[in-house]
This record gives sequence, structure tokens and C-alpha cells, in this order.
Amino acid sequence: QKEVEQDPGPLSVPEGAIVSLNCTYSNSAFQYFMWYRQYSRKGPELLMYTYSSGNKEDGRFTAQVDKSSKYISLFIRDSQPSDSATYLCASTALYGNKLVFGAGTILRVKS
Amino acid sequence: DADVTQTPRNRITKTGKRIMLECSQTKGHDRMYWYRQDPGLGLRLIYYSFDVKDINKGEISDGYSVSRQAQAKFSLSLESAIPNQTALYFCATSERGDQPQHFGDGTRLSIL
Repeated sequence: QKEVEQDPGPLSVPEGAIVSLNCTYSNSAFQYFMWYRQYSRKGPELLMYTYSSGNKEDGRFTAQVDKSSKYISLFIRDSQPSDSATYLCASTALYGNKLVFGAGTILRVKS
Repeated sequence: DADVTQTPRNRITKTGKRIMLECSQTKGHDRMYWYRQDPGLGLRLIYYSFDVKDINKGEISDGYSVSRQAQAKFSLSLESAIPNQTALYFCATSERGDQPQHFGDGTRLSIL
């Protein structure tokens, strides 16, 4: 079993929809949680960075962590065609040496 | 200018050739990483370096070697390339191991 599991999709939604992207993790020591967005032919870019449980909001994006169920979510409100990309979740422990990435979910927002 | 620069961006080569991929960064980070990305498998860590004198194997280091020439430069070598090393390769940097990593735009490598 991978330490971070993520449904690869693709997930296809109409423009304006609310998108929910999810990951599960197995390592109880994970304390930091990140979401990256990767456009075609580009490197992953950091979208959201959270510590421990709770919500964090940035514009149309909300990251949510539920440590009790080891569940990580990214919500995108009012989705746009420009949101079409691969979204990767990542986690690590406090003082961890490296990030553990999910396989990525392909999102397509249709206009 | 990009904070993390990878060269070349694309490379096609033949089985058995030696290949070097280069990464340089202007972020001033001590930690640098090399990943490969394959469809459906996500990012897999090849090697990582805490500083010039500290290099560590990742989960898939067989067939690869690295060199940390300076704080800002970290290169990845394939000593004798084979077709299943065809992939997208990314370099990343971070301030600490539990902090976000910053990625270059990758090298698309094809081995025929």
C-alpha cells in the first residue's frame, strides 16, 4: 500500500462547478500537507500548504485536512478551464526528510 | 528567470549512452532532489541531497548517479541508458525536508 493514495481520474466537470479532489494517507506521523498543480509540460507548482488538521482558504481554493480519518481534500469553487491540470497531494512528517506524493488527479474543466 | 532551471528540456538518445541532466537553482536552498514522473505512478524520488557533502538514495536509485557540484548545482547521470528510463525528470529544492519543494520545468527524456 502506498503511503499516499490518490484517484488518478480523469475528473471532468463543467465550468463553474465545485471540484473536490481527495487523497488518503496511512502514516500517522504526517503533519504537513500540500497541494501542487501541474500544467502540461511544466513542473508542479505549490498551491496550498497546511499544517495539521483544519481548513485553509486562498481565493477559490480551500484545503482541508482530517487527521482522524487521514483524509486530505482540495476544493475548487467556480472552476475555470484554466484550472485544467494535474493536482498532486503531498505529505510529510515534522522534521521529515522528504515529501511523499500521491500519483496525481487529472482535472478537466469544460467551457 | 526561473528559480530552478533544468537543462536540457528535451533529450532523445540511444540505449547504452551516458546522459547527464543538470539542475541549477537561485533560491539559496541547501536541499535538492531528483524525481522521475511516469503516467499513473506520480513522482518517484531518485536521489536527494542535504548539502554538498550529503547525498542520499531515494526509492528508485538503481541505474542513476548524482553529483552535487555546489550548493546551487545538482546533476543526475544515467551511466548506460535503457528504454525503461524514458520518463519526465524533475529537479526540486527546499529549505527543509518538511517544507514545500520548488520544482523546475523538467527534462523529457526518451531512450530508443
